[in-house]
Amino acid sequence: DSGVTQTPKHLITATGQRVTLRCSPRSGDLSVYWYQQSLDQGLQFLIHYYNGEERAKGNILERFSAQQFPDLHSELNLSSLELGDSALYFCASSVEYSTVGAFFGQGTRLTVV
Amino acid sequence: GIQVEQSPPDLILQEGANSTLRCNFSDSVNNLQWFHQNPWGQLINLFYIPSGTKQNGRLSATTVATERYSLLYISSSQTTDSGVYFCAVEFVMEYGNKLVFGAGTILRVKS
Repeated sequence: DSGVTQTPKHLITATGQRVTLRCSPRSGDLSVYWYQQSLDQGLQFLIHYYNGEERAKGNILERFSAQQFPDLHSELNLSSLELGDSALYFCASSVEYSTVGAFFGQGTRLTVV
Repeated sequence: GIQVEQSPPDLILQEGANSTLRCNFSDSVNNLQWFHQNPWGQLINLFYIPSGTKQNGRLSATTVATERYSLLYISSSQTTDSGVYFCAVEFVMEYGNKLVFGAGTILRVKS
């Protein structure tokens, strides 16, 4: 167990819908990272939050947004879902600003039908 | 940005065999990690190894930072070693950081 908790584990939804993925980092970790893993793109960085503030964005679509709350948990919101958004979404956390020692949650498998 | 290349892309082993997986990266790095993604999709940290050599049971890793490569050794492979092995390096952005992953090596260990 990495100590990073993601919910839900599986999600099936229809095109056009909106979903929220949740991540609870390891106790004491201030950084949260979101990644998307798809068959054609591999593991792609989406966004990095540190202590509640957005720090870096990767290839994140405008339909996607994220937040990190004061208790340091994070949510990834995906809207106007398309079939191509089907993927495994990972959250990772690390103690400091760096990715050193980052641990990953078990992922949320999103299927858009 | 930084490029991470892994080889081989695919590997089939008989149980008990040894293997070496390679990761080449295009720039100097502060952080390099090896992960194993099991058949259930979970990403498991194997090593944090920006330089030097580390061992953990049947697995060991070596990173030669000056030559920009890392090697993951798996000895006496078991069927439970099957899955995808990823190398990832840290890329420092203006205000944040990210891990850049290679495409992975798919390992299948047959009994």
